[in-house]
Amino acid sequence: GQSLEQPSEVTAVEGAIVQINCTYQTSGFYGLSWYQQHDGGAPTFLSYNALDGLEETGRFSSFLSRSDSYGYLLLQELQMKDSASYFCAVLGPAGGQNFVFGPGTRLSVLP
Amino acid sequence: SAVISQKPSRDICQRGTSLTIQCQVDSQVTMMFWYRQQPGQSLTLIATANQGSEATYESGFVIDKFPISRPNLTFSTLTVSNLSPEDSSIYLCSVDVGDTQYFGPGTRLTVL
Repeated sequence: GQSLEQPSEVTAVEGAIVQINCTYQTSGFYGLSWYQQHDGGAPTFLSYNALDGLEETGRFSSFLSRSDSYGYLLLQELQMKDSASYFCAVLGPAGGQNFVFGPGTRLSVLP
Repeated sequence: SAVISQKPSRDICQRGTSLTIQCQVDSQVTMMFWYRQQPGQSLTLIATANQGSEATYESGFVIDKFPISRPNLTFSTLTVSNLSPEDSSIYLCSVDVGDTQYFGPGTRLTVL
């Protein structure tokens, strides 16, 4: 089976940096993705890590350590519009193409 | 990338009835996925729909309750049958393109 853990809530102020951690236990692993979901909206893709290391996309970066079954999403220069839920998701085992989603982290950005 | 539309966007249904949700993708895809997201919760995969074969259901989801059709490579339907208030949720259609999963806007179902 597969299970993922994330903090349920994170609060930060505008302009700050926040890190959302994700640990996973899986029977197979191809990669770790991050999705953002605003209230009432659909999840949107942020990043994907298949290999160890840091991937940077603008203000957002994502990190993966396969040996530690751990990853994180780093959000810099926080803006009010970044207030949303963030989900990590594991790409399934060999032959599987579906993602298993973590419980989600609700980020609140304060002025 | 992929652009996905769903119909209806929301519906209110009576207990015991059924609702069929349609999902249309702007490109041909091998697999389409149906997720459920209950209020304030994460996404749970219901089933994977392949064109030309039976859908594959995840543990806890059965075909009698969630029948799925996949008549071609751009379209799928999910029916939620014999509705109960516990089925009130958002239902999302999804496809994967490369390493990215794209989601439709979702169907918000309320069962009275």
